[in-house]
Amino acid sequence: KAGVTQTPRYLIKTRGQQVTLSCSPISGHRSVSWYQQTPGQGLQFLFEYFSETQRNKGNFPGRFSGRQFSNSRSEMNVSTLELGDSALYLCASSNLGQIQETQYFGPGTRLLVL
Amino acid sequence: ILNVEQSPQSLHVQEGDSTNFTCSFPSSNFYALHWYRWETAKSPEALFVMTLNGDEKKKGRISATLNTKEGYSYLYIKGSQPEDSATYLCAFMNTGFQKLVFGTGTRLLVSP
Repeated sequence: KAGVTQTPRYLIKTRGQQVTLSCSPISGHRSVSWYQQTPGQGLQFLFEYFSETQRNKGNFPGRFSGRQFSNSRSEMNVSTLELGDSALYLCASSNLGQIQETQYFGPGTRLLVL
Repeated sequence: ILNVEQSPQSLHVQEGDSTNFTCSFPSSNFYALHWYRWETAKSPEALFVMTLNGDEKKKGRISATLNTKEGYSYLYIKGSQPEDSATYLCAFMNTGFQKLVFGTGTRLLVSP
């Protein structure tokens, strides 16, 4: 089975721009979660999608949004980029998103905002 | 605000040494604890998912224990090898805030 894939792997943007990141989960997985990692911080939960619906949301401003398609692929969008949005963005998939399930992470997208 | 703390922050051991790290989390309303290994330039890889007080899990030379009453989990590596060099993350979930809250990790370096 192919693993979780994320595109692009690296991205450079300038302040004020917007960006869209993509995540393709493992085939058959319906839950996709997004995390942000900045230097010195643990992985911070952004949101979780299950069957095209946002099921959980972390404490991030409304500039961060996402969606999930019928094939379970998910996109994350950040509008009006700020310098502090520079981070590694990881997505993870699991079958049903239940807590006892293992989450499978993608390699991440590293975003640099100048 | 839920806080998950991991100690030590980093550790440097020699090949063959056994080592252990700690993950501390709020003891109330416990739901589950996950351990992940994250090697440089790779994706985090799940090691264990633990849900019951007293749980002990083992995978090869790596094992973990869980004490939900006092709010901690230990991860042990027996006979460390250079390929064990990675950051080890724990993540906690309670029944009220049903999302994984990650610690900042313990960075392990094993020298040959």
